[in-house]
Amino acid sequence: EAGVAQSPRYKIIEKRQSVAFWCNPISGHATLYWYQQILGQGPKLLIQFQNNGVVDDSQLPKDRFSAERLKGVDSTLKIQPAKLEDSAVYLCASSIGGPALTEAFFGQGTRLTVV
Amino acid sequence: SQQGEEDPQALSIQEGENATMNCSYKTSINNLQWYRQNSGRGLVHLILIRSNEREKHSGRLRVTLDTSKKSSSLLITASRAADTASYFCATGGATYNNNDMRFGAGTRLTVKP
Repeated sequence: EAGVAQSPRYKIIEKRQSVAFWCNPISGHATLYWYQQILGQGPKLLIQFQNNGVVDDSQLPKDRFSAERLKGVDSTLKIQPAKLEDSAVYLCASSIGGPALTEAFFGQGTRLTVV
Repeated sequence: SQQGEEDPQALSIQEGENATMNCSYKTSINNLQWYRQNSGRGLVHLILIRSNEREKHSGRLRVTLDTSKKSSSLLITASRAADTASYFCATGGATYNNNDMRFGAGTRLTVKP
């Protein structure tokens, strides 16, 4: 089966610019996650969707970050305006969802560099 | 906020030796997972253990869970150079959300050939 697809793989922008990342989860997966992973740290959950509804966005910096999941399938994560500290790898993951947790599948990530 | 904390932060062993990594967490959980991340790549699921389980095996991997101590361990037996990677624990179900996953900072494992 096809895995989680993310694009772009790399992005370099100047601070105060905006950027968007795209994620296509595995077909049929109801749960979709966005994580931010700063170099040398573990992934930090930004937002979790169940179908097209937000389950948890408690750690999403809502003054500059936004995310949506169109028709419960693809998702985009946007940063506007970007700051230097946003430099990180942004990981998308999906899982079947349901009442019991099952394994999640991760994309290769988008490496963002803010200069 | 992060939930799990892995220990040690870094571990270096010789090929063929066993590697043990530990994960401690703060709140009650419904499940705990271990993931591996090779440099510059996405995370790969290794094993999931639920709160009512104490031990699980998968190939050369053995995971234990002690909910009374809020800790888990991952044992890799007969390690190989290809096991070199970062290993993360992810806790879930601390709230009503049974599908959440919160990661620790990870253990960087180096297996020398």
